[in-house]
Amino acid sequence: GAVVSQHPSWVICKSGTSVKIECRSLDFQATTMFWYRQFPKQSLMLMATSNEGSKATYEQGVEKDKFLINHASLTLSTLTVTSAHPEDSSFYICSARGRLAGQNEQFFGPGTRLTVL
Amino acid sequence: LAKTTQPISMDSYEGQEVNITCSHNNIATNDYITWYQQFPSQGPRFIIQGYKTKVTNEVASLFIPADRKSSTLSLPRVSLSDTAVYYCLVGGTDKLIFGTGTRLQVFP
Repeated sequence: GAVVSQHPSWVICKSGTSVKIECRSLDFQATTMFWYRQFPKQSLMLMATSNEGSKATYEQGVEKDKFLINHASLTLSTLTVTSAHPEDSSFYICSARGRLAGQNEQFFGPGTRLTVL
Repeated sequence: LAKTTQPISMDSYEGQEVNITCSHNNIATNDYITWYQQFPSQGPRFIIQGYKTKVTNEVASLFIPADRKSSTLSLPRVSLSDTAVYYCLVGGTDKLIFGTGTRLQVFP
């Protein structure tokens, strides 16, 4: 099946700094990528949808100036958490949908654990 | 977007068949039904997808009645490694919204 990678797998940063998380589709072109956040013992919460070459669409309640999303190519999307604070500590997961025969299927990355001190 | 309802948790023993049912009364004509499995601190893993009737692959079967308002994921002969959270999602080519999922605990 298609593979989606994320980098880094975990990151620890100080409060007030910015952190960038990369999401790559390794063997297919991802026309759409999605970013989710997951707190412990909870379900995944969709943050935003990004299409290659256009601005991301954010879900209600998600601050677009705090969570910057860039989808510059068909294989890469980035999420930057700006001025991170301890409440931003979470598990961030991306997924991708591409130009494959099973286009209704989303492929998920392994996730990035962000801890803000 | 169709909302899904699943049992919060289920318990089973090794070797048993587990059936997890999901309700999606507002499913749209173009929506597919997809099930994912998630282990702690990992991204969801695709299990199976279907549109109607029955779909089977090497790990599971998916049963969808004619009205498509529900679906049942069937895991044959579960093992300890099947302990995970299982999510039922419905959608077409748009975004997928996760429900609460079903936490399956398999005991020896």
